[in-house]
Amino acid sequence: GENVEQHPSTLSVQEGDSAVIKCTYSDSASNYFPWYKQELGKRPQLIIDIRSNVGEKKDQRIAVTLNKTAKHFSLHITETQPEDSAVYFCAASTKAAGNKLTFGGGTRVLVKP
Amino acid sequence: GAVVSQHPSWVICKSGTSVKIECRSLDFQATTMFWYRQFPKQSLMLMATSNEGSKATYEQGVEKDKFLINHASLTLSTLTVTSAHPEDSSFYICSARDLHIVGQFFGPGTRLTVL
Repeated sequence: GENVEQHPSTLSVQEGDSAVIKCTYSDSASNYFPWYKQELGKRPQLIIDIRSNVGEKKDQRIAVTLNKTAKHFSLHITETQPEDSAVYFCAASTKAAGNKLTFGGGTRVLVKP
Repeated sequence: GAVVSQHPSWVICKSGTSVKIECRSLDFQATTMFWYRQFPKQSLMLMATSNEGSKATYEQGVEKDKFLINHASLTLSTLTVTSAHPEDSSFYICSARDLHIVGQFFGPGTRLTVL
C-alpha cells in the first residue's frame, strides 16, 4: 500500500519567515495530494491540494509543488504569522484505492512572534 | 462548502460498554465515508471505508467485530465501539466524499475516554 513520509516533524520559524514542509510518497499511481492544517482538538482543515497533472499551485501565502518523477511534494508558507502555528499533514490518494487518504506523520509548526 | 457533523463531540464511558458515534453529511450525499482514529500527537490512521449500502472495508489490524460500521443512508454513517477498553480512548474522526469530489470533508471529531 501507499506510504507517505513527512519532514520535519517539528518546525520553528520567526514570524515573517517562510516555512517549508516536504513529503514523499511510494505509490506512483497516487494522483491527489491534499494538505491539512489541524489545530489542537479540532478537525483537519484542507488548506490546499494538488492533482498529479499539475506541478505547482498557489493560494495567497500558501503554495504546493509536486515532483511526480521523484514522488515528492512540498508545502510552502510565506510571510508566516502566529496564527499559522498548528500541525500540518500531507496526504496522498489514488482512485484505484478508493480515494482513501494516506497521511504523513505531521509537522508541528510554531511561528514565534 | 460541504459540511460534515459528528455526534457526540465527546463521550466518557465505562470499560466493557459500547459507544456509538454518528457522522452526517449535512448538505451533500456521501457515497463514501471514512473513519479515522488519532492518538495524541500522532497522525490520522484510517480504520475503515464505508460505502452506502454495502459492508465496510477495514484496514489491516482493525477488528471489524469490535468497530462496527453502518452506512445505511447517503447522509449517515455510524461507528460503534463495542466492549470498549481504556486503550480504545482516542479521537475518532469521520470524513465524507461524494462521487464528484476528489477530496474529503472531515467531521469535527469525537473524543472517546474509556475509564
